[in-house]
Amino acid sequence: QSVLTQPPSVSAAPGQKVTISCSGSSSNIGNYYVSWYQQVPGTAPKVLIFANDKRPSVIPDRFSGSKSGTSATLGITGLRTGDEADYYCATWDSSVSGVVFGGGTRLTVL
Amino acid sequence: QLQLQESGPKLVKPSETLSLTCSVSGGSISGNNYYWAWIRQPPGKGLEWIGSFHSSGNTYYNPSLKSRVLISAHTSRAQFSLRLNSVTAADTALYYCARRVVVVVPGTATYWYFDLWGRGTLVTVSS
Repeated sequence: QSVLTQPPSVSAAPGQKVTISCSGSSSNIGNYYVSWYQQVPGTAPKVLIFANDKRPSVIPDRFSGSKSGTSATLGITGLRTGDEADYYCATWDSSVSGVVFGGGTRLTVL
Repeated sequence: QLQLQESGPKLVKPSETLSLTCSVSGGSISGNNYYWAWIRQPPGKGLEWIGSFHSSGNTYYNPSLKSRVLISAHTSRAQFSLRLNSVTAADTALYYCARRVVVVVPGTATYWYFDLWGRGTLVTVSS
């Protein structure tokens, strides 16, 4: 059972938009920055979003992040088949003094 | 370009110790802005942070693993290691080493993220 709650799966058609939620509490998301990672099957995770809403320069602006209260959201627009992957949120949790990940969300582009 | 590479036995017997090394090429593991971490992923499951090491000597562990884990570093060789004692089948996983960059923004909170990852190594616990 992950400290951060994500939907197990989401799906949408190519070209559409999808959002992935990450729900936590005041000991984690409520007081710390969130980062998001994409893991294409068979490969290592890759950072998409850091500090809630910032993108590394190599990440296209189709990917966006936001945070409100104790929840964070990853948005992906203009979906492509290449976006099919598992997506994880992560943050610090003061109650365990450590890094916590969400359980992951599998994105299917239909 | 900094790269991370995990190495170590791929098969460990139950009750024995899992030992892995992460070799950092193209740079060092010193520096105030970086923590060096181990993260694992059981087959078909999500990511689990095991612990992080800083060159200052500070080390943080996942409370659920803390009694069995030791992360240490060999700064001169640009390597850091993981030891996990008394393993069981539940410790079978893909083990990643990763770099966590920490950014201090004056006047605001500090943020971090994992910016570099190794390719991972699958360790199976079985007799």
